[in-house]
Amino acid sequence: AQSVTQLDSHVSVSEGTPVLLRCNYSSSYSPSLFWYVQHPNKGLQLLLKYTSAATLVKGINGFEAEFKKSETSFHLTKPSAHMSDAAEYFCVVTPLVSGNLIFGKGTKLSVKP
Amino acid sequence: DSGVTQTPKHLITATGQRVTLRCSPRSGDLSVYWYQQSLDQGLQFLIQYYNGEERAKGNILERFSAQQFPDLHSELNLSSLELGDSALYFCASSAASGEDTQYFGPGTRLTVL
Repeated sequence: AQSVTQLDSHVSVSEGTPVLLRCNYSSSYSPSLFWYVQHPNKGLQLLLKYTSAATLVKGINGFEAEFKKSETSFHLTKPSAHMSDAAEYFCVVTPLVSGNLIFGKGTKLSVKP
Repeated sequence: DSGVTQTPKHLITATGQRVTLRCSPRSGDLSVYWYQQSLDQGLQFLIQYYNGEERAKGNILERFSAQQFPDLHSELNLSSLELGDSALYFCASSAASGEDTQYFGPGTRLTVL
């Protein structure tokens, strides 16, 4: 069975400093992996998607993630945090057959001025 | 704006009642997914429809049911409501199934009193 583990429930950074949100996955095959973001009282927005092409995936708003099969990780990074990045971030895996998304528990990112 | 619409935005009802949540997918998308987001369970997949037929089932209670109509909009019916059903219910759509990117609606916030 597929699953994802987000290693931090809350990450706090200062504006202008790098962001690292950690995610490990479990899958018996090469999975499709996603990061979604949810701003307060809003729906979910796709940040980026990995589907076995390039291992370094670039997303919107300056975010990127690197797929590392040897470490079963898919960490999300951004070189410089902005106040508008404050939100909850979900690492997601999907089974190939049905396509339904399996969500991690989320990491809440706070950005201090 | 993802192109997925959900109505109503908010719903307040009493225990034992029945409600219907509605979702219109993005133009051209054939798959509709329903997810529940609650504080204790996080984001969980409920059910998927593809072109009018049920494709996959997740942690959906027997008191809940869904359908997808010929015009591809979908409805999620929740009956015999309990306090624990209070949650944010999201609909997502994708062009087909499998690895396709899912686009989420803004959600319906259900409060059961």
